[in-house]
Parts: sequence; C-alpha cells; structure tokens
Amino acid sequence: EIVLTQSPASLSLSPGERATLSCRASQSLRNYLAWYQQKPGQAPRLLMYDASTRATGIPARFSGSGSGTDFTLTISSLEPEDFAVYYCQQRTQWPLTFGGGTTVEIK
Amino acid sequence: EVQLVESGGGLVQPGGSLRLSCAASGFTFGSYWMHWVRQAPGKGLEWVSRINYDGRSISYGDFVKGRFTMSRDNARNTLYLQMNSLRVEDTAFYYCVRNMGPDALDWWFDPWGQGTLVTVSS
Repeated sequence: EIVLTQSPASLSLSPGERATLSCRASQSLRNYLAWYQQKPGQAPRLLMYDASTRATGIPARFSGSGSGTDFTLTISSLEPEDFAVYYCQQRTQWPLTFGGGTTVEIK
Repeated sequence: EVQLVESGGGLVQPGGSLRLSCAASGFTFGSYWMHWVRQAPGKGLEWVSRINYDGRSISYGDFVKGRFTMSRDNARNTLYLQMNSLRVEDTAFYYCVRNMGPDALDWWFDPWGQGTLVTVSS
C-alpha cells in the first residue's frame, strides 16, 4: 500500500498570505496525485488532479506541482473560504490511499 | 446538477448489519464507476470499495474482509453497500463518490455525496 505523508499537519496563516502544503509518497506516483478540500461539516471537494490540473470551478489561486514522490499544493493568497483541511490522494496503485491531511487555520 | 444522496446510516450494535443506499441524479449513472469512501469522526479518509459500470467488477479495501457487499441498480440509479458483522472501528461517515470521468482510469473522486453516519456501539 502506498503511504502518503502530508506536512505540516497544520498551518496557521492570515488571509492574503501564501499557503504551501506538501504531500510525500512512499513510492513514485508519476503525476497521479489529487488534492481535496474539506470544510467542517461538509464532504470533500476535488481541487486538483494529475498533480497540476485544476478541477472544474476551482479558482486560479490554487496550483499544484510535483511528480514522482514529492508534491505541493499552493494557495497564492488565502481567502476566508480557503481555511479548511486538505487531503492528497494517489491513484497509482490499489488500494487508493489518502494522506492524513493538513489543516489550514486562521491566524 | 450532479447529485449523490446517501441514506441508511444509523446506530447499530457490534455484529449487526446495515444497508446504505445512494441515489444518483444529473448524470448517466450507468456510465461511471462508483465508490464508497469513509471517514471516522475527526479522522482522515479511507477508500472502502469500487464497482464498475455494470456491477460485474467489484473490489474492496483489505479491512472489509468479506463483510461488505457493494452493488448497483442502474435502472434505479442507485448504489448500495450492504455491511454485515459490523465492528466498532467501522464507525464513520460513509460517502458515495463518483469517478471524476467515465474513463475507467479516472480514479479521482468527484463529486461526493453529503455522507451518512454509521455508528457501531453497544
């Protein structure tokens, strides 16, 4: 099973600041990585897939990068609605697995 | 609008059974692989099972160990998860999730239902 390790576990930032979230895989994923956002009391929402492709309706302030084992989700300038938990997910190998999540909280 | 609406969750004793349903609308249900993903309260996400277009190809996470059965009824646009021999550690929100695209390799989850809570406790 591929293990995804997200860091940091939490991030305390102010609106307008840049957020950089990391996801590291236990083996190469090529570019088969996705990011999801989950707000309290809501289901997750797909943000990014194939490491760097934004899902439908996702604003341009979200960007993804990386390949192999190291991936990054960047939020260029945090909006109030961006404070949430973010998960990465791989589709290289079954079972599909998720990282443990990074909480982006308001400072 | 694409919608997935789960039902059937609730409180059950260890060893008991529940059947979850997921009503799909707004897309051609029979053209997509579907999944169940769960999330224990306050914890991370865990893939449970997947089913192909016609229900003939199904697979499960190792932790299921023959206790769950996933199925679908394309005529009713409905997905099911029959859960037997439930354990305390199965307590979680269970989400019905669609493959992002109709391609079998689109193993990204989009959209998600709102989830149904299964609580296993004596």
